Amino acid sequence: DVKVTQSSRYLVKRTGEKVFLECVQDMDHENMFWYRQDPGLGLRLIYFSYDVKMKEKGDIPEGYSVSREKKERFSLILESASTNQTSMYLCASSSTLSVASPNYEQFFGPGTRLTVL
Amino acid sequence: QKEVEQNSGPLSVPEGAIASLNCTYSDRVSQSFFWYRQYSGKSPELIMSIYSNGDKEDGRFTAQLNKASQYVSLLIRDSQPSDSATYLCAVHRGSTLGRLYFGRGTQLTVWP
Repeated sequence: DVKVTQSSRYLVKRTGEKVFLECVQDMDHENMFWYRQDPGLGLRLIYFSYDVKMKEKGDIPEGYSVSREKKERFSLILESASTNQTSMYLCASSSTLSVASPNYEQFFGPGTRLTVL
Repeated sequence: QKEVEQNSGPLSVPEGAIASLNCTYSDRVSQSFFWYRQYSGKSPELIMSIYSNGDKEDGRFTAQLNKASQYVSLLIRDSQPSDSATYLCAVHRGSTLGRLYFGRGTQLTVWP
């Protein structure tokens, strides 16, 4: 079974702090994704990565950066947390080989609920 | 226009009824279509995928795709209270390194 884990289920930080959210997958997937989910707004893509050290901006990259130094790990960084970054953050992974196949699937981690005070 | 639009809901149906969830997408080059289910406080899980026009059935779930109308739907037959969740429609264009475009979701409640 694919397993995507996230470092924390709940996190409380103060405005201006630097925040690291970690995601690890154990299926040797090339693609990894960071989303945030807010009521009424659905899932919005922040950044994704298709290989080590490679990244692409999603729809809402402002205020965020990412790091992918190892294939299994994808980190989301909030350089200076703000209250409007309070949200549920979801990490996902998928295999490049399956992208064009009927078996394509993105597997999600359990999520990190971040509160910025 | 948003990439993927879903009927806003919330949708409420009695136990045993058919629940119909709808989704339209804007990009004609879209190739693959997915329905994810998300229980409250949990992460999304894939329940159906469809690639060709027509119907695809899996147990009580049927996905329907009409590429000419840029429309995909999910029917849940014999709805159960355990089907109460938010259903997310997602679209893959086939050329964007596995990126999916998600709708905002439709909240379904099945009452006993």
